[in-house]
Amino acid sequence: GAGVSQSPRYKVAKRGQDVALRCDPISGHVSLFWYQQALGQGPEFLTYFQNEAQLDKSGLPSDRFFAERPEGSVSTLKIQRTQQEDSAVYLCASSLKRDTAQPQHFGDGTRLSIL
Amino acid sequence: GQQLNQSPQSMFIQEGEDVSMNCTSSSIFNTWLWYKQEPGEGPVLLIALYKAGELTSNGRLTAQFGITRKDSFLNISASIPSDVGIYFCAGKIYNQGGKLIFGQGTELSVKP
Repeated sequence: GAGVSQSPRYKVAKRGQDVALRCDPISGHVSLFWYQQALGQGPEFLTYFQNEAQLDKSGLPSDRFFAERPEGSVSTLKIQRTQQEDSAVYLCASSLKRDTAQPQHFGDGTRLSIL
Repeated sequence: GQQLNQSPQSMFIQEGEDVSMNCTSSSIFNTWLWYKQEPGEGPVLLIALYKAGELTSNGRLTAQFGITRKDSFLNISASIPSDVGIYFCAGKIYNQGGKLIFGQGTELSVKP
């Protein structure tokens, strides 16, 4: 597709359940980023991949959060034993090259609600 | 963590008016970006700035990378109703990879 694609668009889960969020970056984009956006706030960085390598996971809030990009294309963000404070919009972004000056292009996000 | 201070938090203006918003940081940035976000959508890139002092325009939008590398502003001239949305500044700190640090956003409302 032409842009970053995320699925599902909406996810409702009960507290304690595990969830998996998918990101399809723009074809050929080397770098992939995950951000968390709480209501009324700006996005906050979670983690960053260059191809299949996870180069920075300093923003992951706890060890319940795990991200992977095994083939250097599609990425999955997994949250285990979800808590209410995990409710947020999870945004994925990709950029073309290794050069970190390349601008990031965002998907429309997955809105996660934990009951 | 690192933060960007973005102001104003919200603006209510009349169609045709000019708008100005800015971001400041305690850290030096090597890239400044301005995004617009509408409800239910992801941020859309408006302008990217890569050099201190750089002034860049995109239609009615103009943005500048501050000389100190710690600030940036965005101006919108002759606002129209479709300018409504939340505008975010975002920056990258040198040697911290590609992660973006976002401001808190400026919510713009335009009255026809």
